[in-house]
Amino acid sequence: GAGVSQSPSNKVTEKGKDVELRCDPISGHTALYWYRQSLGQGLEFLIYFQGNSAPDKSGLPSDRFSAERTGGSVSTLTIQRTQQEDSAVYLCASSLSTSGPYEQYFGPGTRLTVT
Amino acid sequence: AQSVTQPDIHITVSEGASLELRCNYSYGATPYLFWYVQSPGQGLQLLLKYFSGDTLVQGIKGFEAEFKRSQSSFNLRKPSVHWSDAAEYFCAVVPRSGNTGKLIFGQGTTLQVKP
Repeated sequence: GAGVSQSPSNKVTEKGKDVELRCDPISGHTALYWYRQSLGQGLEFLIYFQGNSAPDKSGLPSDRFSAERTGGSVSTLTIQRTQQEDSAVYLCASSLSTSGPYEQYFGPGTRLTVT
Repeated sequence: AQSVTQPDIHITVSEGASLELRCNYSYGATPYLFWYVQSPGQGLQLLLKYFSGDTLVQGIKGFEAEFKRSQSSFNLRKPSVHWSDAAEYFCAVVPRSGNTGKLIFGQGTTLQVKP
């Protein structure tokens, strides 16, 4: 079946612009996670959704970052007023549930470059 | 402090040689344990996981890992490395005390395979 998909695969934006990153999880997966992978910080958790609610947003680095999930499916990560330090690969993952824990399946990521 | 440590940032092995990648964790209760692999430009793929039971876990691509409670370790092994195994390997945990299922990653080990 289809895996986790993310779009765009690459995004180059100018400092100060807003960007939206999209994640389509595996059908039926209720849990969705966003992670960020950067050279200096490694792989970091950003936010997790159970259904459409986000019980844990503790990893969002600043209030410029926000995310939503609609219909228990697609999620969008929005970064406002992008800064150069936001340059990273943003990974999305989904799993059947958070009780388990069940395996997380990762998408290919969106590489964000802020110039 | 709670942490996941991969002591080796970079490892080089010859094709056909055996491989062991180290992972140590520091948590009060043994967390759920995972190994992921990331090939260049790709997302993360789950190699294997340990939740409980048999301490020797078999995974995909001929990998195995052994959980050692006394050493707080979960080392990844492969008897004979193939050139296609060159990638970055991440050890990750999900703490049992949490209920979000979010992964906490080690810093990763880059594996280079010599012909």
